[in-house]
Amino acid sequence: KQEVTQIPAALSVPEGENLVLNCSFTDSAIYNLQWFRQDPGKGLTSLLLIQSSQREQTSGRLNASLDKSSGRSTLYIAASQPGDSATYLCAVSGGLTGGGNKLTFGTGTQLKVEL
Amino acid sequence: EADIYQTPRYLVIGTGKKITLECSQTMGHDKMYWYQQDPGMELHLIHYSYGVNSTEKGDLSSESTVSRIRTEHFPLTLESARPSHTSQYLCASSEWDRGSTGELFFGEGSRLTVL
Repeated sequence: KQEVTQIPAALSVPEGENLVLNCSFTDSAIYNLQWFRQDPGKGLTSLLLIQSSQREQTSGRLNASLDKSSGRSTLYIAASQPGDSATYLCAVSGGLTGGGNKLTFGTGTQLKVEL
Repeated sequence: EADIYQTPRYLVIGTGKKITLECSQTMGHDKMYWYQQDPGMELHLIHYSYGVNSTEKGDLSSESTVSRIRTEHFPLTLESARPSHTSQYLCASSEWDRGSTGELFFGEGSRLTVL
């Protein structure tokens, strides 16, 4: 069974810092990996989608990398702002034990960016 | 900007009532999903659909039922609500992507409280 772990569970940083969120998965035979943002009481907003054949994707201040063989992904946030405060979730699609149609979510990293 | 809508956003009802949570998307996506999420906890897939007249149960057993009569519409129904059904329900949709899950788009969620 595919398992997705996110470290740290919570993170508090001062405004302007660059930071890295980590995601690891147990079954490396994935189709793709997505990073999401979730604000309290809201749905999820897709940030970046990385296909299994890709190494990284960038969108504005966000950069996500994927090392499929080691089962790891990182989300890099540059020059963090208070508006970045949210829970960040990674999710993987597929895997030999998960099947192509299943998306397995991590438990998230709760980020707080302070003034 | 994702075009997927959920109603109601918030619902407080008494035990034994029948409720339907609505989900509609205007992106023409074939795949649609329902996730259940308790506060601070991970998402659990409860139902998904590959297209019209297709519905499947997810990883987490649920007493709810779904239907997919039209591509854009994927309602979830609880015949007799109980306090244990209190949770946030998130609807999502995606395209097919080489036989697997493409980028997932989420609605804002429906927060259900059963008294």
